[in-house]
Amino acid sequence: SAVISQKPSRDICQRGTSLTIQCQVDSQVTMMFWYRQQPGQSLTLIATANQGSEATYESGFVIDKFPISRPNLTFSTLTVSNMSPEDSSIYLCSVPGTGAEQYFGPGTRLTVT
Amino acid sequence: SQQGEEDPQALSIQEGENATMNCSYKTSINNLQWYRQNSGRGLVHLILIRSNEREKHSGRLRVTLDTSKKSSSLLITASRAADTASYFCATVYTSGTYKYIFGTGTRLKVLA
Repeated sequence: SAVISQKPSRDICQRGTSLTIQCQVDSQVTMMFWYRQQPGQSLTLIATANQGSEATYESGFVIDKFPISRPNLTFSTLTVSNMSPEDSSIYLCSVPGTGAEQYFGPGTRLTVT
Repeated sequence: SQQGEEDPQALSIQEGENATMNCSYKTSINNLQWYRQNSGRGLVHLILIRSNEREKHSGRLRVTLDTSKKSSSLLITASRAADTASYFCATVYTSGTYKYIFGTGTRLKVLA
């Protein structure tokens, strides 16, 4: 199994500002996933971050709003840009396991005021 | 939307009782997984059942899969207060790589 940490664990931000969320994994992985979970809702995949290539974004998510970096095989960042209250969510990173399961970080709870 | 549907949305039971939650989905799958989420934290993988399996057990968990009905159920036996959490099914299909679709979740509350 993989151990994943995220920073910050929570933040309250003003609208119009940006927040960068960090995800650190204790082992090298090719793919990392970023999810959004809006209040009381399920998880929605934002993008898949592969080391050495551009992230692949899902329908409805764009790079200008959610730029992602993947500088090495154990680390990734997701930036939520020009935030609005609708961006208030839990943001989760995850990595695939050796089977088809995923391992998740503890999440970053973002509130935009 | 391809999102899976779970029912019930919320379930409240007494400690020691069994809890059953159901998941329906729309696509053909490679496997189906169940995850637990405590209080808006990260998800924890519980169990995986492959499309050619019909039932699987892990401790107090029992999962069934009916691919003809595109549905699965998770049974937690002899529930404990610590089982209080949200439970999500995730259907997994292959399209080059694995693709995951998470269900809407069931909020389980186990009363001591």
